[in-house]
Amino acid sequence: NAGVMQNPRHLVRRRGQEARLRCSPMKGHSHVYWYRQLPEEGLKFMVYLQKENIIDESGMPKERFSAEFPKEGPSILRIQQVVRGDSAAYFCASTDNRVISYNEQFFGPGTRLTVL
Amino acid sequence: GENVEQHPSTLSVQEGDSAVIKCTYSDSASNYFPWYKQELGKRPQLIIDIRSNVGEKKDQRIAVTLNKTAKHFSLHITETQPEDSAVYFCAASINTNAGKSTFGDGTTLTVKP
Repeated sequence: NAGVMQNPRHLVRRRGQEARLRCSPMKGHSHVYWYRQLPEEGLKFMVYLQKENIIDESGMPKERFSAEFPKEGPSILRIQQVVRGDSAAYFCASTDNRVISYNEQFFGPGTRLTVL
Repeated sequence: GENVEQHPSTLSVQEGDSAVIKCTYSDSASNYFPWYKQELGKRPQLIIDIRSNVGEKKDQRIAVTLNKTAKHFSLHITETQPEDSAVYFCAASINTNAGKSTFGDGTTLTVKP
């Protein structure tokens, strides 16, 4: 059973470009979370999605950032017009979240975004 | 919303000594408390977790305690080894409808040989 997959692992963008980060959850998981980790800091929640639905986007900046989790395919975190402050590691995590189970989250390897 | 505070931010111990990391949370509805270990450049990995209906849980050299009344929980690592050196994060979440996890800011543990 493959774990959570993220690609690309490293992404370099110039200021003003767009960044697209992809996350494929573990098989059977239908819930995805995106977190941002600035250098030497903790994980900050950005958005929680289920298939075709955004459940909680309270941690995501209102402008330039968007996320989706379509019926088919990976979840995508999109950052438009990137700025240097967007440079960070972006982790996604997935869970199956059955009613009887606690939401243990399994993390992907992360995408390290560098904005030049 | 939930607020999780973690202390200390850095911790240095001699090999073989014990290490204790403490976290407090604010939302009394939180009922799931995982601990993650993150090595440099790698993903966070779950090392132990505790549910709110349990006060203590052990797994070999690692133990976690939970005090629901005081809203704090702690990670205890005994007989530390150099490979325990990493950043450790605590988190708190509410099980209902798969709520997001709120993480502490992390503790950088260094075990000196």
